[in-house]
Amino acid sequence: GENVEQHPSTLSVQEGDSAVIKCTYSDSASNYFPWYKQELGKGPQLIIDIRSNVGEKKDQRIAVTLNKTAKHFSLHITETQPEDSAVYFCAASKEGGGADGLTFGKGTHLIIQP
Amino acid sequence: GAVVSQHPSRVICKSGTSVKIECRSLDFQATTMFWYRQFPKKSLMLMATSNEGSKATYEQGVEKDKFLINHASLTLSTLTVTSAHPEDSSFYICSAPPSGTSGHTQYFGPGTRLTVL
Repeated sequence: GENVEQHPSTLSVQEGDSAVIKCTYSDSASNYFPWYKQELGKGPQLIIDIRSNVGEKKDQRIAVTLNKTAKHFSLHITETQPEDSAVYFCAASKEGGGADGLTFGKGTHLIIQP
Repeated sequence: GAVVSQHPSRVICKSGTSVKIECRSLDFQATTMFWYRQFPKKSLMLMATSNEGSKATYEQGVEKDKFLINHASLTLSTLTVTSAHPEDSSFYICSAPPSGTSGHTQYFGPGTRLTVL
C-alpha cells in the first residue's frame, strides 16, 4: 500500500518568514495530493491540493509543488502569520473509479514565533 | 465550501457500552464516506470506507464487528463502537468527497472525541 513520509515533525519560524514542509510517497500510481491544516481539537481543513498533471499550484500565500519523478511534493507558506500555527498534514491517494481513502503523513507542527 | 458535521462532538461512556457517531454531509450528497481514527499527537489512520446502500470496506487490522458502519442515505453515515474499551478512546473523524465530482477532494467533519472509562 501507499506510504507517505513527512518532514520535519516540528518547524518553528519567525513571523513573516517562509515555511516549507516536504513529503514523499511510495506508490507511483498515486495522483492526488492534498494538504490539510488541523487546529487542536478540530477536524482537518483542506488548504490546497494538487493533481499529478500539474507541477505547481498557488493560492495567495500558499503554494504546493510536485515532482512526480522523484515522488515528492512540498508545501510552501510565505509571509507567515501567527494564525498559520497549526499541525499540517500531507496526504496521497489514487483518483479514478471510486473514491479512495487518503494516506496521511505524520504531520508537521508549525510554530510561528512573533 | 462543502460542510460535513459530526455528532456528538464529545462522548464519555463506560467500558462495555456501545457508542454511535453520526457523520452528515450538509450541503452535498456523498455515496462514499470515510472514517478515520486519530490518537493524540498522531496522524489520521483510515479505518473504513462507508458505501451508501452496500457494505463498508475495512482496512487491514480494523475489526468490522467492533466498528459497525451504516450508510443509510446519501448524506448520513454512522459508526458504532460496540462493547467499547479504554483502548478505543480516540478522536474519530469522518470525511466525504462530493458525489458527481471528478476528483476526490475530501471534506472532513469536526471530529468526535470518545473517552471510554
